[in-house]
Amino acid sequence: NAGVTQTPKFQVLKTGQSMTLQCAQDMNHEYMSWYRQDPGMGLRLIHYSVGAGITDQGEVPNGYNVSRSTTEDFPLRLLSAAPSQTSVYFCASSYSGGSEKLFFGSGTQLSVL
Amino acid sequence: TQLLEQSPQFLSIQEGENLTVYCNSSSVFSSLQWYRQEPGEGPVLLVTVVTGGEVKKLKRLTFQFGDARKDSSLHITAAQPGDTGLYLCAGQNSGGSNYKLTFGKGTLLTVNP
Repeated sequence: NAGVTQTPKFQVLKTGQSMTLQCAQDMNHEYMSWYRQDPGMGLRLIHYSVGAGITDQGEVPNGYNVSRSTTEDFPLRLLSAAPSQTSVYFCASSYSGGSEKLFFGSGTQLSVL
Repeated sequence: TQLLEQSPQFLSIQEGENLTVYCNSSSVFSSLQWYRQEPGEGPVLLVTVVTGGEVKKLKRLTFQFGDARKDSSLHITAAQPGDTGLYLCAGQNSGGSNYKLTFGKGTLLTVNP
């Protein structure tokens, strides 16, 4: 099994550009989520989804959009990139959220110049 | 937002030493998880504790959940260089959304040969 696959691994954007970070899982997990990890800040939840067609905001949702059209995919869109969005982004999934084991992707390192 | 404070933030020890890292909050959590993260990778789950006072052992690692479910500790016996990594605790909210995990900022452990 591939688990949770994130693409790209690295990305450099200019301020104002838009892009989509891809996340796919092959474990038939209902729960998927996006985190950002910044030095000294730990992992912060951006958006999450408890199933296809259902999404909700996390702790730091501003500047990001998500959609969940299939169980497998949960893309994260940056509408107009800002330097404050420079971070490492992780996608994670689990069977049903809560206390279930979270499976993380290997991350996307994003730099916004 | 329920906060988790981890201490120490950094820890550098010699191979064979014992250590304890802490995860504290003023809030009650339904469950608490410990993850280890290596450079360039996503976090990997080590253990989940759900009952106040619970103790779980994973080889040389001992995890304890506080009686009041507000704190947790991770003790490593006879640390080895392979234990090097970022240790993160994550709590499931006891109220409101059951789907959100709150992460601490982590303890960066270095075990020197």
